[in-house]
Amino acid sequence: DTAVSQTPKYLVTQMGNDKSIKCEQNLGHDTMYWYKQDSKKFLKIMFSYNNKELIINETVPNRFSPKSPDKAHLNLHINSLELGDSAVYFCASSRDRGLETQYFGPGTRLLVL
Amino acid sequence: QKEVEQNSGPLSVPEGAIASLNCTYSDRGSQSFFWYRQYSGKSPELIMSIYSNGDKEDGRFTAQLNKASQYVSLLIRDSQPSDSATYLCAVLRDSSYKLIFGSGTRLLVRP
Repeated sequence: DTAVSQTPKYLVTQMGNDKSIKCEQNLGHDTMYWYKQDSKKFLKIMFSYNNKELIINETVPNRFSPKSPDKAHLNLHINSLELGDSAVYFCASSRDRGLETQYFGPGTRLLVL
Repeated sequence: QKEVEQNSGPLSVPEGAIASLNCTYSDRGSQSFFWYRQYSGKSPELIMSIYSNGDKEDGRFTAQLNKASQYVSLLIRDSQPSDSATYLCAVLRDSSYKLIFGSGTRLLVRP
C-alpha cells in the first residue's frame, strides 16, 4: 500500500509537447510538494501546497503549473516542454509544513527529446 | 555560495569502519536539519533529524550539529555495503518552510 504514489514513472516526450504528472498520498497529510532533481542529483523545491493552498512557489518558468484538487492530490502540468526540463520530478508530503518529516514518492523520470 | 554545501565524494570506506559525512549551511537563522539517504534510482528517505546543538544517536547513526560553526555531520558506525548510497543534507528555512538540500555525498562501503 504505497504512501505517496506518482504516475507515470517514466515519461519520454518531444520538445514542445504538454504533459502532466500526477501525485497522490494516502497518509492523511496536509502538505504536498513538488521537487526537481537534475542530472547532478541536486534536489530543488518547486512548489508546495498546504491544505490546497499554494504556500511555496519557487522561481520556475510559468510553463510549470501545479494544481491541488484536494489535500490528497497534487498534479504538475508542464507546457511547451524543453530539453532542460529533463529530470526526475519527486512529489512529497508531510503532516504539516515546517518541521514535519517529508515522505517522497518514487519519482517520475522525464526525458524530453 | 550555495546555501547548503556538501562534498560530492565519493567517500569510500571499508566495511566496519566509521563513515563521516559533513555539511555546512549559510543561513545562520536555520533551526532544523535533516539527513536523507537516496539509493541509486530511488527516492530520498529520512534517516535523521536534529534541532539542537550536540549529538543525536539512532542505532548506528549519529547526527552532530554545531550552530555556531553552521555545521552538521552524520556518522555511520560499523558501515555496511548496504549503506552505499547518496546522503543528502537538508536545512529547513523556517521563515518560508522550504527544505533546502545540498547536492549530496556519495558513500561507497567496500566489502
